[in-house]
Amino acid sequence: SQLAEENSWALSVHEGESVTVNCSYKTSITALQWYRQKSGKGPAQLILIRSNEREKRNGRLRATLDTSSQSSSLSITATRCEDTAVYFCATDATNAYKVIFGKGTHLHVLP
Amino acid sequence: DAGVTQTPRHEVAEKGQTIILKCEPVSGHNDLFWYRQTKIQGLELLSYFRSKSLMEDGGAFKDRFKAEMLNSSFSTLKIQPTEPKDSAVYLCASSLAGTGTDTQYFGPGTRLLVL
Repeated sequence: SQLAEENSWALSVHEGESVTVNCSYKTSITALQWYRQKSGKGPAQLILIRSNEREKRNGRLRATLDTSSQSSSLSITATRCEDTAVYFCATDATNAYKVIFGKGTHLHVLP
Repeated sequence: DAGVTQTPRHEVAEKGQTIILKCEPVSGHNDLFWYRQTKIQGLELLSYFRSKSLMEDGGAFKDRFKAEMLNSSFSTLKIQPTEPKDSAVYLCASSLAGTGTDTQYFGPGTRLLVL
């Protein structure tokens, strides 16, 4: 089973709306990362949130982390068509050398 | 700064052929990862190098997949012999130190189709 999993396979919103992608994970972690992958490209990191942080922002993006429920969310405000992509969460297990990716949430932002 | 580069971008192979995929990591990065990406399985780790030493060789992928890091700025992934189920996108990523708090920088991937 996955170390980290996004809770939705696909989401659709209209441009300008807000959307939240959720992720749950299974072990204690050092940090959780959110990546975005656009069509034809490799994933690119959006936000890294450490286990002692509760919230992190990057422009229109806001990530939260709840270590008690082992969950995280990534919110995007004022969505644009170019936000259409697959969004992954990725976690390590504490003291592990590698990061495990979830299977991703496909976000479609419609005009 | 150059990012991670991968060649070729697309590869078509006949079943049973040998193919070699190439990756150049970000300059100065110590860790290099090879992943396979499919719709069903998502991102699967094939190999992981730290400072050119192989740390993980991908378990189930061992028999036909071999990754090498000839120097700190070049890695190859050989698939021999190829099978149709190997059709996927192969991604290479590098990071400074490969821990859970490190950013992985991905290349654009090689899309492989095995007929």
